[in-house]
Amino acid sequence: AQKITQTQPGMFVQEKEAVTLDCTYDTSDQSYGLFWYKQPSSGEMIFLIYQGSYDEQNATEGRYSLNFQKARKSANLVISASQLGDSAMYFCAMNQFYFGTGTSLTVIP
Amino acid sequence: GAGVSQSPRYKVAKRGQDVALRCDPISGHVSLFWYQQALGQGPEFLTYFQNEAQLDKSGLPSDRFFAERPEGSVSTLKIQRTQQEDSAVYLCASSPGQGGQTNEKLFFGSGTQLSVL
Repeated sequence: AQKITQTQPGMFVQEKEAVTLDCTYDTSDQSYGLFWYKQPSSGEMIFLIYQGSYDEQNATEGRYSLNFQKARKSANLVISASQLGDSAMYFCAMNQFYFGTGTSLTVIP
Repeated sequence: GAGVSQSPRYKVAKRGQDVALRCDPISGHVSLFWYQQALGQGPEFLTYFQNEAQLDKSGLPSDRFFAERPEGSVSTLKIQRTQQEDSAVYLCASSPGQGGQTNEKLFFGSGTQLSVL
């Protein structure tokens, strides 16, 4: 069965600091994609970053990077230099069908 | 518009009423997905379409839920005889490709918040 687990319901980070949001997954498929989405209070989910299962390099998109450890089945999101606008819910997803329960990130001024 | 549009933004229904939720995907997007997001939870997959074909409806919770996309663009999610447990945000997303692909990101609408009293 496919499953995404996010164990951090809420996280706090000081402005300008880095933060890591955890995500583990379970699948028996060899080919899969891992995604992170941001959901601000407005409700619209916004794509942040993608990692393919065969990609050997960790994905990066601006201040976002994905720490992909295939053997451990983890795909943690790292946000560097946090900004107040980063305060939101963050969801890890596998392919287009499976989402975690999310982590609420609050950036403290 | 440039993005995925959902209407209405909020819907209040009395238990037992039928509701229809609309999704207008990004023009030209082949695939369209519906999700249910309960309060404090992640999106749960309901169903998806490739053009007008409904390829997977395994996530629909009961036969009261029905979705269609007759012309391969706008989609409607219909819930018959609503119950309190149907209260949730219903998210629609689209993607350019054929759906079910492991490397294609989703473009989401802002959702419809359904409250069943």
